[in-house]
Amino acid sequence: AQKVTQAQTEISVVEKEDVTLDCVYETRDTTYYLFWYKQPPSGELVFLIRRNSFDEQNEISGRYSWNFQKSTSSFNFTITASQVVDSAVYFCALSEAWGNNRLAFGKGNQVVVIP
Amino acid sequence: NAGVMQNPRHLVRRRGQEARLRCSPMKGHSHVYWYRQLPEEGLKFMVYLQKENIIDESGMPKERFSAEFPKEGPSILRIQQVVRGDSAAYFCASSPRPRGTGVEQYFGPGTRLTVT
Repeated sequence: AQKVTQAQTEISVVEKEDVTLDCVYETRDTTYYLFWYKQPPSGELVFLIRRNSFDEQNEISGRYSWNFQKSTSSFNFTITASQVVDSAVYFCALSEAWGNNRLAFGKGNQVVVIP
Repeated sequence: NAGVMQNPRHLVRRRGQEARLRCSPMKGHSHVYWYRQLPEEGLKFMVYLQKENIIDESGMPKERFSAEFPKEGPSILRIQQVVRGDSAAYFCASSPRPRGTGVEQYFGPGTRLTVT
């Protein structure tokens, strides 16, 4: 069964600080996919990034970067130089190759960026 | 370039009434997913549909809930005889490719259902 854990519930940072969100996952599949989604106060869910289990290369996209480590089943997400507009709930999610694409979400991290 | 559309955005129903939630996927997407967001439980998968087919309904409550995605028109999530515990945000998502490919899902703005 697929499971995603986001231990931190609320994180407050001062604008321009970096913030890292932790995500630990469980799966029995050898092929799986990891995602980060953002839910701003307006309520919609916005897709941010996707990673395949067979590609551990870490990347940077603008102010977002992620650190995928299969050895520790972690998929951490960093926002660099945070801005007030980054205030939102961030969800880590997992889907398994044989799981009909259904996403298992973590409980989310509430990020508050203080001006 | 319209995204996933959901309506209504807010829906209020009295206990015992029926709720109908609609979802139009992104253009070119033929795979639709429904999720429910409850305050203490987070986002949970409910059902995955393709046109005229239910592919995976493992997350659907056994009673009162049903979903369809007809050949023409939007996908519908129907909740019969609503109870207070059905109050939640219901999100629809769509994707362009079939299961097993890990393709990202694009979400609609959600329908906030309140049962009084």
